[in-house]
Amino acid sequence: SQTIHQWPATLVQPVGSPLSLECTVEGTSNPNLYWYRQAAGRGLQLLFYSVGIGQISSEVPQNLSASRPQDRQFILSSKKLLLSDSGFYLCAWSRWGQETQYFGPGTRLLVL
Amino acid sequence: GDSVTQMEGPVTLSEEAFLTINCTYTATGYPSLFWYVQYPGEGLQLLLKATKADDKGSNKGFEATYRKETTSFHLEKGSVQVSDSAVYFCALSEGANSKLTFGKGITLSVRP
Repeated sequence: SQTIHQWPATLVQPVGSPLSLECTVEGTSNPNLYWYRQAAGRGLQLLFYSVGIGQISSEVPQNLSASRPQDRQFILSSKKLLLSDSGFYLCAWSRWGQETQYFGPGTRLLVL
Repeated sequence: GDSVTQMEGPVTLSEEAFLTINCTYTATGYPSLFWYVQYPGEGLQLLLKATKADDKGSNKGFEATYRKETTSFHLEKGSVQVSDSAVYFCALSEGANSKLTFGKGITLSVRP
């Protein structure tokens, strides 16, 4: 069966510090991968998605970036965090050619 | 662009009450429609889906019917339980390998 992992589960970072969140998927090959952000009182906002290694599409211009160094690894990064980056970050995957997305447990980020 | 509109929340019900959560959508093509559920502190789980008009998705006592004529996908359950307390998201997908567009979500609280 397939599983998706995210870490860390929670993170408290000062403004201006760097960020690296990791997502890995097990039990499948060549998945589509997605990063979403859920801010307090808002819905889910798609940040990035990837259909293959090194292929990243950005949905919203911001100070975040994403990378996919391996087939089942998706990393969300920032060089300098802003207060507005606080939120719940969710990674998701889907099988190539299918629509249903499966979500990880999320990372709660608080920027102070 | 595509959009999903959910009724305003939060919603508070007594156990065994009937539940309806409204969802309407705007899309250029013929999307697939989804309901996801997020339990406190967790990621999203797929609750049910429908891929074409008049399809009914069902799971755990929840149902939703894809109504193309009214562009709606309302979620219903005949008798809610305390364990159904969660945030519910309606979403659409325009096809395989495409992103999900989410509504803002609605918080359901069920009292014993």
